[in-house]
Amino acid sequence: GDSVTQMEGPVTLSEEAFLTINCTYTATGYPSLFWYVQYPGEGLQLLLKATKADDKGSNKGFEATYRKETTSFHLEKGSVQVSDSAVYFCALSINTDKLIFGTGTRLQVFP
Amino acid sequence: EAGVVQSPRYKIIEKKQPVAFWCNPISGHNTLYWYRQNLGQGPELLIRYENEEAVDDSQLPKDRFSAERLKGVDSTLKIQPAELGDSAVYLCASSRRPVEETQYFGPGTRLLVL
Repeated sequence: GDSVTQMEGPVTLSEEAFLTINCTYTATGYPSLFWYVQYPGEGLQLLLKATKADDKGSNKGFEATYRKETTSFHLEKGSVQVSDSAVYFCALSINTDKLIFGTGTRLQVFP
Repeated sequence: EAGVVQSPRYKIIEKKQPVAFWCNPISGHNTLYWYRQNLGQGPELLIRYENEEAVDDSQLPKDRFSAERLKGVDSTLKIQPAELGDSAVYLCASSRRPVEETQYFGPGTRLLVL
């Protein structure tokens, strides 16, 4: 079945470090791909998305490129801030019916 | 624009008791989703409504879970009776299908069954 695999956390970084959170997927169809973020005490928020191969989603300095050949959608940011500390979820959707999430990766950024 | 509203935010009950969660989606969003998020996991879909019709309830444990979306706006998810394994965060989301596929999530209801 369709699934999402993302790297386990926590990921611990110093402020201004480079961030990569890996995400790969398995899908029978042609999915749309998403990154959601969950800040402490808050609900899930859409961070970025991409709907077709080679599309790049970007928001708040975060980027992810839809790579069909490697079935990946890795999240990157060039310089993280303490305020980026949160749990990040990679997800896919086929035919917009439902989101299938990975298990989440906790990011901790220290000053 | 107001976001998805859920209540209560927290609920503690004893096993075998009933519990209900309420969700008010974003105005104009015809599609409503209920997800369950277990500790350390990503959310998993329980049920999806298109207006007032439940179009995907394949993952809803129908022996104890029920849901309704009267008038195609607010929705209620009920568990009766609750079991220890039902402890989780219950998330409501809405979207404006098919115009836009992005789902917008509420803050969730954290349920603890003792």
